[in-house]
Amino acid sequence: EIVMTQSPATLSVSPGDRATLSCRASQSVKSNLAWYQQKPGQAPRLLIYGASTRATGIPARFSGSGSGTEFTLTISSLQSEDFAVYYCQQYNNWPPMYTFGQGTKLEIK
Amino acid sequence: QVQLQESGPGLVKPSETLSLTCTVSGASISSYSWSWIRQPAGKGLEWIGLMYIIGSTSYNPSLKSRVTMSVDTSKNQFSLRLNSVTAADTAVYYCARVDRLHYYGSGSYDYYYGMDVWGQGATVTVSS
Repeated sequence: EIVMTQSPATLSVSPGDRATLSCRASQSVKSNLAWYQQKPGQAPRLLIYGASTRATGIPARFSGSGSGTEFTLTISSLQSEDFAVYYCQQYNNWPPMYTFGQGTKLEIK
Repeated sequence: QVQLQESGPGLVKPSETLSLTCTVSGASISSYSWSWIRQPAGKGLEWIGLMYIIGSTSYNPSLKSRVTMSVDTSKNQFSLRLNSVTAADTAVYYCARVDRLHYYGSGSYDYYYGMDVWGQGATVTVSS
């Protein structure tokens, strides 16, 4: 089973600054990685898939990079609505299954 | 506009079976894959299972012995059953649509099965 590890657990950043979140896979997942954003009391929202492709309607300040075992989500200029918890997720083609990272809480500094 | 709505009992007794239904509107349930995810209070997301072709399922190995997913195409609904529940199964349960999302990466075209539409979540408490 592939284990996804996110770091840091909590990231404190000022509005307008850049945030960089990391996700590491215990073995190569190629580009089979997605990022989700979850705000309190809401369902998660898909941000990035295929490691670097933005989902429909996601602002350009969100970008993803990486492949294999190391991935990064970058938010270039933090807006107030970006403070949330972010999860990475890997998809295994066969057998079909998913694993989530434990999440990174992005909080206002 | 695609919408998903979870429904089912909010309270289940220990050792009994948790049953939830996800009603899909705005999309045909036969055209996509569907998934269940749960989240204990204050904790992270846990994938429960996937129906990737109508009638074909894949489950989280840690829950596989207790989980069953099914679909009712006539009602455009899919369901989750989790038996022999304990307090550890107390969580918000989400249903989600899984879409085949195409992208270009590493010099070739590929696809990712992403959870692009989610229900609002159903809180289930396991308690006597």
